[in-house]
This record gives sequence, structure tokens and C-alpha cells, in this order.
Amino acid sequence: KNEVEQSPQNLTAQEGEFITINCSYSVGISALHWLQQHPGGGIVSLFMLSSGKKKHGRLIATINIQEKHSSLHITASHPRDSAVYICAVHTMDSNYQLIWGAGTKLIIKP
Amino acid sequence: GAGVSQSPSNKVTEKGKDVELRCDPISGHTALYWYRQSLGQGLEFLIYFQGNSAPDKSGLPSDRFSAERTGGSVSTLTIQRTQQEDSAVYLCASSLRFRRDTQYFGPGTRLTVL
Repeated sequence: KNEVEQSPQNLTAQEGEFITINCSYSVGISALHWLQQHPGGGIVSLFMLSSGKKKHGRLIATINIQEKHSSLHITASHPRDSAVYICAVHTMDSNYQLIWGAGTKLIIKP
Repeated sequence: GAGVSQSPSNKVTEKGKDVELRCDPISGHTALYWYRQSLGQGLEFLIYFQGNSAPDKSGLPSDRFSAERTGGSVSTLTIQRTQQEDSAVYLCASSLRFRRDTQYFGPGTRLTVL
């Protein structure tokens, strides 16, 4: 079993829909990171959080440490949101490891 | 050693000067990543390499930033004409394969631009 599991693996939705991507992890973490990989391969950081909730524009990320679960939400989705969304967790051990999930491929149709 | 190493560990420079940060990944790791963490901020992804190739440089904050990797090993992150907002800890990580394996971080380079 992977230490970081994302669901769904693939998601296709219509423009305007509310999107939720889930991330569950099985290791102790110090923080969780959401990243976005564009179709061209470029990666950008979206959020880094260790508790609660963060919002940036139409993106919202939440984390529940007790349940070892995080969600990324996109409100009023747009075709330009089409990308792979990656959840990554920073482990608590001294080697400062970052474990990436397999990613969720999101396609927003106009 | 067997881990990721970075040099220098600390760098203080004057605004407008160029700086070069070095990363030695774990031997055999094909993927290499650069991040930075500004004071009070989260981790920001900058660029990744698969082998010597960086498929996309759009994560770099500005065109003053460049990175290269040679021989599938050492990587250099160069910041030209440094600005005060470039002050941060620059972290390098490597993994066996891109995206599919755990990334191991180096100790970072703390850059201070005066």
C-alpha cells in the first residue's frame, strides 16, 4: 500500500463544477503539500499546510491531521484548471523526506 | 556521504550580485528538484530535472533564475542580480525516479541578500 493515496486517479467534469480531490496518508507528517503539474510538464506549488484550511482564489485546501486526510477543492472550475494535482507529504523523520502521491488527472470540459 | 549535499550552507550577498548554489544528489537518483522556503512561508517548487533535462522552467520566479544539471548528477541553481526578495532557504531534493519515489532533501542553502 502506498504511503500517500490520492483519489480519484482521473476526474473529468464540466466547466463550473465544484471539484474535490482527496489525499490520504499513512505516515506521520510535519506538513502536506499540494502541487499542480501543467500539461506541458511544469510544476507549481499550490499550498503547504499542517493544519486547518488555506484558500487562494478558487482553490481551497483542508487537512485533518487526526484522520490523516487532506482535500483540495476547486470552485467554479475552468478548463484552464485541467492539470495533474499532486499531494505530497513531508515525513516527520530526520531525513526530511517528501513522499508524492500518484496524482489526480483533472480535465475540465467547456 | 550517502545523502543529498548542498553548498554553501549559508550565503550572504549584496543586492545585484550573482550567486550560485550547488546540489549533489544521492548517487543513482535520476530526478532532482529545487525548492525554496521563504521566512514564514511554505515550500515553493522551483524546477525539476529528469536526468540532465528540465522539461519546464515555468516554476522559476523570474528570468534571473536559471538551473542546470550536468552528467546526471550535480545541479547548480544560479540567481543573477539578486534582490532582497530572493532571501530564502533553497532546498534541493533527489529521488530515484521522477514523481514515483520518495524525495530526499539536502540541508539547504540559506541565502541572505542585503
